[in-house]
Amino acid sequence: GQNIDQPTEMTATEGAIVQINCTYQTSGFNGLFWYQQHAGEAPTFLSYNVLDGLEEKGRFSSFLSRSKGYSYLLLKELQMKDSASYLCAALDSNYQLIWGAGTKLIIKP
Amino acid sequence: IAGITQAPTSQILAAGRRMTLRCTQDMRHNAMYWYRQDLGLGLRLIHYSNTAGTTGKGEVPDGYSVSRANTDDFPLTLASAVPSQTSVYFCASSDDRLNTGELFFGEGSRLTVL
Repeated sequence: GQNIDQPTEMTATEGAIVQINCTYQTSGFNGLFWYQQHAGEAPTFLSYNVLDGLEEKGRFSSFLSRSKGYSYLLLKELQMKDSASYLCAALDSNYQLIWGAGTKLIIKP
Repeated sequence: IAGITQAPTSQILAAGRRMTLRCTQDMRHNAMYWYRQDLGLGLRLIHYSNTAGTTGKGEVPDGYSVSRANTDDFPLTLASAVPSQTSVYFCASSDDRLNTGELFFGEGSRLTVL
């Protein structure tokens, strides 16, 4: 079956760095997405990776290893506003998104 | 206002009643989607439409129906609501088959079925 695994919850300190991991098993693969979702709000797009390697976008970076079925989202210089859930989703061979349950990130002062 | 508009934002419904959740986008996106989000689970696709006039079933379509009469509107209907349909429903759209583009979400409709 198709499956996305990511930690349920993580805690980090303001100003620090945190890495949120995601492993996936899908029927075919057409890319890996990360979304941010603040409590009570809609998910918003953060990044898309289809090739191996690191994509950097400001304080956020996303990494993909297709051979390992693995991705991570790296958040630097954490701010209180980064407290949110981070959703990992893989695009399968039918161009359907398979979503993880999300990682709730708690930032402490 | 650019983006996706959903209505209602919140609704309490008696079991057995019929309910339609409305979704309108003004980005001229071809593809539209309905997801439900439940605590501890990932977003689950209910129905989708790749272009006006076509629809398809997602992962959890039972008890739901959709129509896509035009590009902008994609309503979701619960013919006879049941308590297990209590959830937050998100409508989303994308410009293509997602292989390069992102998914844009509406603000969600919180539905409680009693």
